[in-house]
Amino acid sequence: AQRVTQPEKLLSVFKGAPVELKCNYSYSGSPELFWYVQYSRQRLQLLLRHISRESIKGFTADLNKGETSFHLKKPFAQEEDSAMYYCALIGSGTASKLTFGTGTRLQVTL
Amino acid sequence: NAGVTQTPKFRVLKTGQSMTLLCAQDMNHEYMYWYRQDPGMGLRLIHYSVGEGTTAKGEVPDGYNVSRLKKQNFLLGLESAAPSQTSVYFCASGRGDYGYTFGSGTRLTVV
Repeated sequence: AQRVTQPEKLLSVFKGAPVELKCNYSYSGSPELFWYVQYSRQRLQLLLRHISRESIKGFTADLNKGETSFHLKKPFAQEEDSAMYYCALIGSGTASKLTFGTGTRLQVTL
Repeated sequence: NAGVTQTPKFRVLKTGQSMTLLCAQDMNHEYMYWYRQDPGMGLRLIHYSVGEGTTAKGEVPDGYNVSRLKKQNFLLGLESAAPSQTSVYFCASGRGDYGYTFGSGTRLTVV
């Protein structure tokens, strides 16, 4: 069975501080990992995926297979980063179904 | 370009009532999904479809039925609503490996 764990329900940081949203997964094969974001009163949207190794809105995430982690990082938090963040995984043979973590709410304060 | 449209946006049901949530997409996607979002539990897959006329159970299918009679529409039905089905329901379409397109959600309260 595949599982995604986001240990923090809430992460509160000051503006300008570094951000790290933790995500760990369990999956026996080679997973594809994603981060989705949901801003207040908006629909969920894809933030980034590990396979493309891109940086979106200053966020990056590296897949660490040894630690089975895919933590989301940003060096300097902005107020507009306040949102709900979900880590998600696709396993092989799953018809592209995403398994989501429980989410972490990021709160950036002045 | 509407993407994924969900109707209704809000609904209050009494226990035992039935209702249907509609999801419509205009992107010609084969894959469509219904998730429910609950505090502390994230998004859990209810049912999904890999093409017109096909449906399959997800992680939490009990109490729900679905139909995909047309490629662009994916309906989620509650035959006899229960308070445990109070949730926010999200429809999504597309392949997960390319990134889902989500609808704006339906907030359902069962009293």
